[in-house]
Amino acid sequence: AQKVTQAQTEISVVEKEDVTLDCVYETRDTTYYLFWYKQPPSGELVFLIRRNSFDEQNEISGRYSWNFQKSTSSFNFTITASQVVDSAVYFCALIDAGGTSYGKLTFGQGTILTVHP
Amino acid sequence: DGGITQSPKYLFRKEGQNVTLSCEQNLNHDAMYWYRQDPGQGLRLIYYSQIVNDFQKGDIAEGYSVSREKKESFPLTVTSAQKNPTAFYLCASRRTGNTEAFFGQGTRLTVV
Repeated sequence: AQKVTQAQTEISVVEKEDVTLDCVYETRDTTYYLFWYKQPPSGELVFLIRRNSFDEQNEISGRYSWNFQKSTSSFNFTITASQVVDSAVYFCALIDAGGTSYGKLTFGQGTILTVHP
Repeated sequence: DGGITQSPKYLFRKEGQNVTLSCEQNLNHDAMYWYRQDPGQGLRLIYYSQIVNDFQKGDIAEGYSVSREKKESFPLTVTSAQKNPTAFYLCASRRTGNTEAFFGQGTRLTVV
């Protein structure tokens, strides 16, 4: 069975601080995909990044960066110089690439990030 | 613009009533999903469909029903058998393959 764990339920920072959201996953599959989504107060989940299990290269997109470490089954997300607009719930998710997965996403519990001005 | 439309945004249900949540997509995606979100529990899968006229139960299907008569539409009915229906419901769709899912803006259902 798959499982995604986000260690932090809530994080509160002051604007311009860096913040890292942790994500640890469990799967028996050797091929899988990891995702991060952002859920602003409006409710819609916004896709941020997808990473497959064979690509451990870290990625940076503006103030966002992701650190994928297969050895520790972690896929952490860092926001540099946080801004008030980053306040949202962030979800880490996993799909295994097996034939019976049907693309079902397994989500972590979510981390509520609050950035104070 | 392409996207996923859920309606209504807010829905109130009386005890013992069935209610139907609408989900429509114009992305030409084959797969569609319904998730339930409760505080502190992340998103849990209710039902999913890979093709028209076919759907499968997810992890928490009891008290819910769906249909997939058209590729664009995947309505969810919350029946009176669902004992704790108050939650935020999200519909999603994706292309085949291991691509990302796209989500609607959700429906907040409250039992009154």
